[in-house]
Amino acid sequence: GESVGLHLPTLSVQEGDNSIINCAYSNSASDYFIWYKQESGKGPQFIIDIRSNMDKRQGQRVTVLLNKTVKHLSLQIAATQPGDSAVYFCAEISGGSYIPTFGRGTSLIVHP
Amino acid sequence: EAQVTQNPRYLITVTGKKLTVTCSQNMNHEYMSWYRQDPGLGLRQIYYSMNVEVTDKGDVPEGYKVSRKEKRNFPLILESPSPNQTSLYFCASSQGQGPSTEAFFGQGTRLTVV
Repeated sequence: GESVGLHLPTLSVQEGDNSIINCAYSNSASDYFIWYKQESGKGPQFIIDIRSNMDKRQGQRVTVLLNKTVKHLSLQIAATQPGDSAVYFCAEISGGSYIPTFGRGTSLIVHP
Repeated sequence: EAQVTQNPRYLITVTGKKLTVTCSQNMNHEYMSWYRQDPGLGLRQIYYSMNVEVTDKGDVPEGYKVSRKEKRNFPLILESPSPNQTSLYFCASSQGQGPSTEAFFGQGTRLTVV
């Protein structure tokens, strides 16, 4: 909903630019990572995931990079479109855990 | 259409009046969970269920109950709601025994406790 975007870091880009959204995760034992997109008034939507035995995974217009050394995850969106405007957040899951830990999120604003 | 359905979408209630938020999924998923989302805090898991009659606490279970009598339904129960439970709630489901697969979220329930 509209309150989700409050107090969040914001990334503003022009339509057509590439966007990079970053996430620092906390648990070095986490072995599965997910990026979600949440549009205003909607539930989170799965975008892409990556396991800890990989450092890069590509989807349609999106790429996730994982740097385990510095516990950093990034989501790259190519040719950003106004429909990409949303809050994006990462989640990490440790092996054997059933409780994901979510980041606070980044608000992406795409200007036409 | 594959979906997770929550009801109601909006609810205003008074302190202490028991309420239930329903959640139903039509994908035959085994894993279901409830989250609350608060500004500046992100999503936090309340309870999860790995299968029928199997439930367990998440990060913030205090003040909540759940049940999983059928695979498709996972209601969230607030026996005695308090104002600090005012939040945006999401139900989610995923295939397999845990959250390590694509999760599908409901549209959310905005609860206000006065």
